[in-house]
Amino acid sequence: GAVVSQHPSWVICKSGTSVKIECRSLDFQATTMFWYRQFPKQSLMLMATSNEGSKATYEQGVEKDKFLINHASLTLSTLTVTSAHPEDSSFYICSAWPRGQPQHFGDGTRLSIL
Amino acid sequence: RKEVEQDPGPFNVPEGATVAFNCTYSNSASQSFFWYRQDCRKEPKLLMSVYSSGNEDGRFTAQLNRASQYISLLIRDSKLSDSATYLCVVTYSGNTPLVFGKGTRLSVIA
Repeated sequence: GAVVSQHPSWVICKSGTSVKIECRSLDFQATTMFWYRQFPKQSLMLMATSNEGSKATYEQGVEKDKFLINHASLTLSTLTVTSAHPEDSSFYICSAWPRGQPQHFGDGTRLSIL
Repeated sequence: RKEVEQDPGPFNVPEGATVAFNCTYSNSASQSFFWYRQDCRKEPKLLMSVYSSGNEDGRFTAQLNRASQYISLLIRDSKLSDSATYLCVVTYSGNTPLVFGKGTRLSVIA
């Protein structure tokens, strides 16, 4: 079945570092991918919709200059958390929707900023 | 008002018990409905879709009431391995993002 691969699965880094997270669709093309974030004991919240070949659409309250999204190909979207701070520590997860199937999630990236 | 609301629990039940989770959604334009399961520190995994006529998958039964904008999940004969957080999820149509409830935590105790 369709698989969405996300990398890395765990990141620990110092405050001020920029962190890039990759989301790949392994056996299907995804013109749209979604990026979610989940803080402890909270629901997954949509951060942005990544569109291949065009600008991402950000949800209200999500800083587009802080969370840079690039969807340069039909199988890869990247989320870069720029100058990360402790409050950015969270579980980030991407998803894509193969035609005719339920939405598939990546394994998620647990980001810890010290 | 949150788009998808669930009782957060936790529900602590003995093995073999039957447990029911409820969920309400606010957007009447919602078209598709799901229950996902999320284990601690893991990605959500689709448990089952929810259809208007109600549907069953083994020990799991899902119901949808569009008029009341209400979704339910019934788990019969609970197993220890059912312990997880159950997420009620809705979406509008086609390739649109999922809207998640906060989840209901279930602990099945031996």
